Amino acid sequence: SAVISQKPSRDICQRGTSLTIQCQVDSQVTMMFWYRQQPGQSLTLIATANQGSEATYESGFVIDKFPISRPNLTFSTLTVSNMSPEDSSIYLCSVEGGREAFFGQGTRLTVV
Amino acid sequence: QRVTQPEKLLSVFKGAPVELKCNYSYSGSPELFWYVQYSRQRLQLLLRHISRESIKGFTADLNKGETSFHLKKPFAQEEDSAMYYCAGGTSYGKLTFGQGTILTVHP
Repeated sequence: SAVISQKPSRDICQRGTSLTIQCQVDSQVTMMFWYRQQPGQSLTLIATANQGSEATYESGFVIDKFPISRPNLTFSTLTVSNMSPEDSSIYLCSVEGGREAFFGQGTRLTVV
Repeated sequence: QRVTQPEKLLSVFKGAPVELKCNYSYSGSPELFWYVQYSRQRLQLLLRHISRESIKGFTADLNKGETSFHLKKPFAQEEDSAMYYCAGGTSYGKLTFGQGTILTVHP
Protein backbone atom coordinates (compact mmCIF):
# COMPACT_ATOMS: atom_id res chain seq x y z
CA SER A 1 0.00 0.00 0.00
CA ALA A 2 0.97 3.65 -0.24
CA VAL A 3 0.17 6.60 1.97
CA ILE A 4 -0.18 9.93 0.19
CA SER A 5 -0.13 13.34 1.80
CA GLN A 6 -1.39 16.37 -0.06
CA LYS A 7 -0.93 20.01 0.84
CA PRO A 8 -2.85 22.21 1.18
CA SER A 9 -6.08 20.40 2.01
CA ARG A 10 -8.06 23.43 0.91
CA ASP A 11 -7.53 26.98 -0.23
CA ILE A 12 -9.42 30.01 -1.41
CA CYS A 13 -7.59 31.97 -4.08
CA GLN A 14 -8.08 35.14 -6.06
CA ARG A 15 -8.61 34.85 -9.78
CA GLY A 16 -5.48 35.42 -11.81
CA THR A 17 -3.19 33.93 -9.18
CA SER A 18 -1.54 30.50 -9.09
CA LEU A 19 -1.59 27.71 -6.52
CA THR A 20 0.90 24.89 -6.15
CA ILE A 21 -0.33 21.62 -4.67
CA GLN A 22 2.17 19.23 -3.15
CA CYS A 23 1.94 15.45 -3.09
CA GLN A 24 4.22 13.31 -0.93
CA VAL A 25 4.23 9.51 -1.03
CA ASP A 26 5.68 7.29 1.67
CA SER A 27 7.38 5.00 -0.85
CA GLN A 28 9.14 5.33 -4.17
CA VAL A 29 6.85 5.11 -7.16
CA THR A 30 7.47 5.35 -10.86
CA MET A 31 4.34 7.19 -11.89
CA MET A 32 2.16 9.69 -10.12
CA PHE A 33 -1.20 10.84 -11.40
CA TRP A 34 -3.12 14.07 -10.99
CA TYR A 35 -6.90 14.15 -11.19
CA ARG A 36 -9.46 16.93 -11.09
CA GLN A 37 -12.98 16.64 -9.77
CA GLN A 38 -15.15 19.59 -10.67
CA PRO A 39 -18.29 20.22 -8.62
CA GLY A 40 -20.86 17.51 -9.27
CA GLN A 41 -18.58 15.80 -11.76
CA SER A 42 -16.46 12.70 -11.81
CA LEU A 43 -12.70 12.46 -11.53
CA THR A 44 -10.83 13.37 -14.68
CA LEU A 45 -7.18 12.58 -15.23
CA ILE A 46 -5.10 15.70 -15.82
CA ALA A 47 -1.66 14.19 -16.34
CA THR A 48 0.79 11.44 -15.54
CA ALA A 49 4.07 12.48 -13.92
CA ASN A 50 7.20 10.37 -14.34
CA GLN A 51 10.39 11.17 -12.54
CA GLY A 52 13.04 12.52 -14.86
CA SER A 53 10.77 13.32 -17.77
CA GLU A 54 8.06 15.75 -18.70
CA ALA A 55 4.55 14.98 -17.59
CA THR A 56 2.12 13.51 -20.09
CA TYR A 57 -1.10 15.51 -20.31
CA GLU A 58 -4.55 14.24 -21.21
CA SER A 59 -6.68 15.82 -23.87
CA GLY A 60 -7.97 19.19 -22.73
CA PHE A 61 -5.15 19.88 -20.28
CA VAL A 62 -2.00 21.82 -21.13
CA ILE A 63 1.33 22.35 -19.43
CA ASP A 64 1.02 26.14 -19.36
CA LYS A 65 -2.13 25.90 -17.28
CA PHE A 66 -1.14 22.91 -15.12
CA PRO A 67 2.65 22.70 -14.86
CA ILE A 68 3.84 19.63 -12.99
CA SER A 69 7.13 18.90 -11.33
CA ARG A 70 8.46 15.50 -10.36
CA PRO A 71 11.88 16.03 -8.77
CA ASN A 72 12.17 12.56 -7.20
CA LEU A 73 10.36 9.26 -6.79
CA THR A 74 8.30 10.30 -3.76
CA PHE A 75 7.20 13.85 -4.55
CA SER A 76 5.29 15.83 -7.14
CA THR A 77 3.66 19.22 -7.45
CA LEU A 78 0.79 20.45 -9.58
CA THR A 79 0.39 24.16 -10.18
CA VAL A 80 -2.91 25.64 -11.23
CA SER A 81 -1.96 28.82 -13.08
CA ASN A 82 -3.81 32.04 -13.78
CA MET A 83 -6.83 30.73 -11.98
CA SER A 84 -10.44 31.47 -12.85
CA PRO A 85 -13.61 30.42 -11.01
CA GLU A 86 -13.89 27.47 -13.44
CA ASP A 87 -10.78 26.02 -11.79
CA SER A 88 -12.68 25.57 -8.53
CA SER A 89 -12.40 21.82 -8.02
CA ILE A 90 -10.93 19.09 -5.90
CA TYR A 91 -7.47 18.09 -7.11
CA LEU A 92 -6.26 14.61 -6.26
CA CYS A 93 -2.88 12.99 -6.38
CA SER A 94 -2.71 9.25 -6.99
CA VAL A 95 -0.17 6.46 -7.34
CA GLU A 96 -0.49 2.86 -8.35
CA GLY A 97 0.83 -0.11 -6.44
CA GLY A 98 -0.19 -3.66 -5.67
CA ARG A 99 -2.69 -3.68 -8.54
CA GLU A 100 -4.70 -0.74 -7.29
CA ALA A 101 -4.60 3.02 -7.13
CA PHE A 102 -4.05 4.98 -3.93
CA PHE A 103 -5.31 8.50 -3.52
CA GLY A 104 -4.47 11.54 -1.48
CA GLN A 105 -7.16 13.23 0.53
CA GLY A 106 -7.49 15.91 -2.11
CA THR A 107 -7.07 19.66 -2.28
CA ARG A 108 -10.31 21.61 -2.38
CA LEU A 109 -9.69 24.79 -4.36
CA THR A 110 -12.11 27.67 -4.52
CA VAL A 111 -11.33 30.56 -6.86
CA VAL A 112 -13.08 33.85 -6.15
CA GLN B 1 -12.73 5.06 -23.18
CA ARG B 2 -15.91 5.68 -21.30
CA VAL B 3 -17.41 4.47 -18.05
CA THR B 4 -21.06 5.19 -17.36
CA GLN B 5 -22.96 4.99 -14.11
CA PRO B 6 -26.57 5.80 -14.93
CA GLU B 7 -27.73 6.42 -11.37
CA LYS B 8 -26.48 9.46 -9.52
CA LEU B 9 -28.46 8.59 -6.39
CA LEU B 10 -29.62 5.26 -5.04
CA SER B 11 -31.59 4.76 -1.84
CA VAL B 12 -32.43 1.44 -0.23
CA PHE B 13 -33.48 0.21 3.18
CA LYS B 14 -31.24 -1.81 5.43
CA GLY B 15 -31.38 -5.48 4.54
CA ALA B 16 -32.56 -4.87 0.99
CA PRO B 17 -30.53 -5.95 -2.02
CA VAL B 18 -28.59 -3.26 -3.82
CA GLU B 19 -27.20 -3.06 -7.33
CA LEU B 20 -25.10 -0.20 -8.64
CA LYS B 21 -24.90 -0.18 -12.39
CA CYS B 22 -21.81 0.39 -14.48
CA ASN B 23 -21.31 0.12 -18.23
CA TYR B 24 -18.08 0.62 -20.06
CA SER B 25 -16.91 1.32 -23.57
CA TYR B 26 -13.29 0.45 -24.13
CA SER B 27 -11.04 -0.71 -26.88
CA GLY B 28 -9.19 -3.84 -25.84
CA SER B 29 -9.62 -5.48 -22.46
CA PRO B 30 -9.63 -2.94 -19.66
CA GLU B 31 -9.09 -3.54 -15.99
CA LEU B 32 -12.29 -2.65 -14.15
CA PHE B 33 -12.67 -1.52 -10.57
CA TRP B 34 -15.09 -0.25 -8.02
CA TYR B 35 -13.79 2.51 -5.77
CA VAL B 36 -15.63 3.81 -2.73
CA GLN B 37 -15.46 7.04 -0.77
CA TYR B 38 -16.98 7.02 2.70
CA SER B 39 -17.85 10.27 4.41
CA ARG B 40 -14.71 12.28 5.22
CA GLN B 41 -12.41 9.54 3.96
CA ARG B 42 -10.28 9.30 0.90
CA LEU B 43 -11.12 7.31 -2.19
CA GLN B 44 -10.20 3.64 -1.81
CA LEU B 45 -10.43 0.44 -3.77
CA LEU B 46 -13.44 -1.75 -3.07
CA LEU B 47 -12.83 -4.50 -5.57
CA ARG B 48 -11.37 -5.29 -8.99
CA HIS B 49 -12.78 -7.56 -11.62
CA ILE B 50 -9.64 -9.58 -12.14
CA SER B 51 -9.68 -10.85 -8.56
CA ARG B 52 -13.27 -12.09 -8.69
CA GLU B 53 -13.49 -11.40 -4.97
CA SER B 54 -16.16 -10.43 -2.51
CA ILE B 55 -15.37 -7.47 -0.29
CA LYS B 56 -17.69 -6.36 2.51
CA GLY B 57 -20.35 -8.57 0.93
CA PHE B 58 -20.10 -6.82 -2.43
CA THR B 59 -19.47 -8.64 -5.68
CA ALA B 60 -19.18 -7.44 -9.24
CA ASP B 61 -19.41 -9.58 -12.32
CA LEU B 62 -17.89 -8.58 -15.60
CA ASN B 63 -20.29 -9.18 -18.48
CA LYS B 64 -18.35 -8.65 -21.66
CA GLY B 65 -21.41 -9.20 -23.84
CA GLU B 66 -23.30 -6.38 -22.17
CA THR B 67 -20.08 -4.44 -21.37
CA SER B 68 -21.27 -4.13 -17.79
CA PHE B 69 -19.65 -4.40 -14.38
CA HIS B 70 -22.51 -3.97 -11.94
CA LEU B 71 -21.85 -3.97 -8.20
CA LYS B 72 -24.18 -6.04 -6.04
CA LYS B 73 -24.82 -6.79 -2.43
CA PRO B 74 -27.66 -9.03 -1.26
CA PHE B 75 -28.28 -7.29 2.07
CA ALA B 76 -27.35 -3.64 2.38
CA GLN B 77 -26.07 -2.21 5.65
CA GLU B 78 -26.16 1.37 6.88
CA GLU B 79 -22.37 1.51 6.82
CA ASP B 80 -22.49 0.91 3.07
CA SER B 81 -23.72 4.47 2.58
CA ALA B 82 -21.04 6.15 0.48
CA MET B 83 -20.10 7.40 -2.98
CA TYR B 84 -19.25 4.56 -5.34
CA TYR B 85 -17.22 4.99 -8.51
CA CYS B 86 -16.81 2.49 -11.28
CA ALA B 87 -13.48 2.91 -13.06
CA GLY B 88 -11.61 1.34 -15.91
CA GLY B 89 -8.16 1.54 -17.33
CA THR B 90 -5.33 -0.16 -19.12
CA SER B 91 -3.20 0.26 -16.02
CA TYR B 92 -4.00 0.32 -12.34
CA GLY B 93 -3.22 3.99 -11.94
CA LYS B 94 -4.41 5.64 -15.13
CA LEU B 95 -8.17 5.40 -14.77
CA THR B 96 -11.36 6.60 -16.38
CA PHE B 97 -14.05 7.10 -13.78
CA GLY B 98 -17.80 6.97 -14.03
CA GLN B 99 -19.88 9.80 -12.68
CA GLY B 100 -20.35 8.10 -9.33
CA THR B 101 -23.40 6.85 -7.46
CA ILE B 102 -24.31 8.06 -3.99
CA LEU B 103 -25.73 5.11 -2.11
CA THR B 104 -27.85 5.81 0.94
CA VAL B 105 -28.95 2.93 3.11
CA HIS B 106 -31.83 3.87 5.41
CA PRO B 107 -32.34 2.16 8.76
